[in-house]
Formats: sequence, structure tokens, C-alpha cells
Amino acid sequence: SQQGEEDPQALSIQEGENATMNCSYKTSINNLQWYRQNSGRGLVHLILIRSNEREKHSGRLRVTLDTSKKSSSLLITASRAADTASYFCATDAFSNYQLIWGAGTKLIIKP
Amino acid sequence: IAGITQAPTSQILAAGRRMTLRCTQDMRHNAMYWYRQDLGLGLRLIHYSNTAGTTGKGEVPDGYSVSRANTDDFPLTLASAVPSQTSVYFCASSEGYGFGPQHFGDGTRLSIL
Repeated sequence: SQQGEEDPQALSIQEGENATMNCSYKTSINNLQWYRQNSGRGLVHLILIRSNEREKHSGRLRVTLDTSKKSSSLLITASRAADTASYFCATDAFSNYQLIWGAGTKLIIKP
Repeated sequence: IAGITQAPTSQILAAGRRMTLRCTQDMRHNAMYWYRQDLGLGLRLIHYSNTAGTTGKGEVPDGYSVSRANTDDFPLTLASAVPSQTSVYFCASSEGYGFGPQHFGDGTRLSIL
């Protein structure tokens, strides 16, 4: 069963623009993580935000978490061609600690 | 370079055959995981191991088995492959079970004919 659902499924923007991806989930969580997956490669961890945090930054990445709406957003500022990838959110429910993954957002950065 | 090594990178297998996917990590992480990734779906957990000597079932364990004889190795076995097991399989690890980032290998692309 999928806990997280990313929105949009696909996003195509010009290089230099900002990209925003959203993740919604269903049950209470301990934390939420965002990962990037380049074509043909494994997933790479980007950022983890805990349930008691509202916003977190890492370089050009900004993640927000709204536990009342059970949603998170990932903002990539000043996008680059190298940001072209699929982005996944993953949550772990209080009932167990197994990560549950969304289906991902495919981001294409046009030069 | 520290990380997770998976082998083979790809395989075509006849239905009914037995297959073991290998996974080795050199980060001394306690927890390891096997996922499958299918088009349009998120990763689904097959089996996991909290620490060497223990394993547990994930969301989709049927048709798969694992063992964790030591910290570094976590092989996944398909006892009798079926076409529905065609997928990309990822091995991952984390320092502890259930929290913190997971580190992934580059996957094994498996086709069952």
C-alpha cells in the first residue's frame, strides 16, 4: 500500500526556474524523507524532516512539512540540467518503521 | 568507494528457475533492505534485516527469501521465478532500523520469461 503520493507525476521546466513537488500521506509519521533517482541508478537521500519540524534547507533544496494536512513539499531553486531525475518521498508510520514510498515525480529540466 | 554493491546488474531468467541476487555493503550498517521497483509504483519492501542474524517480512515477501549471515551481505533468493517477479530490485542499508537515511545500490534489472 502506498502511503505517500507525489504530485505532479511529471514536471518539465526551464533551467533556472524553481521546481516544486508535493507529497501527501495518510497516517501519522515519525519523519518524512525525500530521495532523488537518476535514470538507471539507485536512490540517493536528499533530506529528512522530522514530524516536529516545519521547514528544512539543504543547499538549493527547501522542504516543508504540514502534519495537519499530512503533506510535504520539496522546492528546488535555480534548477540545473543535473536536477533532471525522479524524486520520491518516503514516510515511516508510527506502527512500524518500514518506509513507505510514493510513486515519484519525474522532473525534466530543459536547457 | 563506500557503498552498496549489487550483482548481477541485469539478468534474463526462465520461469521456474532459482535465482539469487547479491548485495554487499561496506558501511557496517546494521539494517539492510530489499525493495522492488515497478513502473508507476513506489518502492515496495520485500524483506528487511535489523541486524546480522535476523530478518523480517516486508510488504511483498511471497516468493522471496533472504538470509543475513553477517553484517555485510544480504542475498535475496527467488526459489522458483515467475513472470510477475520481473522488476528492478534494489538493496539498501541504514545505520539503524527504522530511522535515518537509507543508502541504495544501483539495482538489478530482472526479467522473467
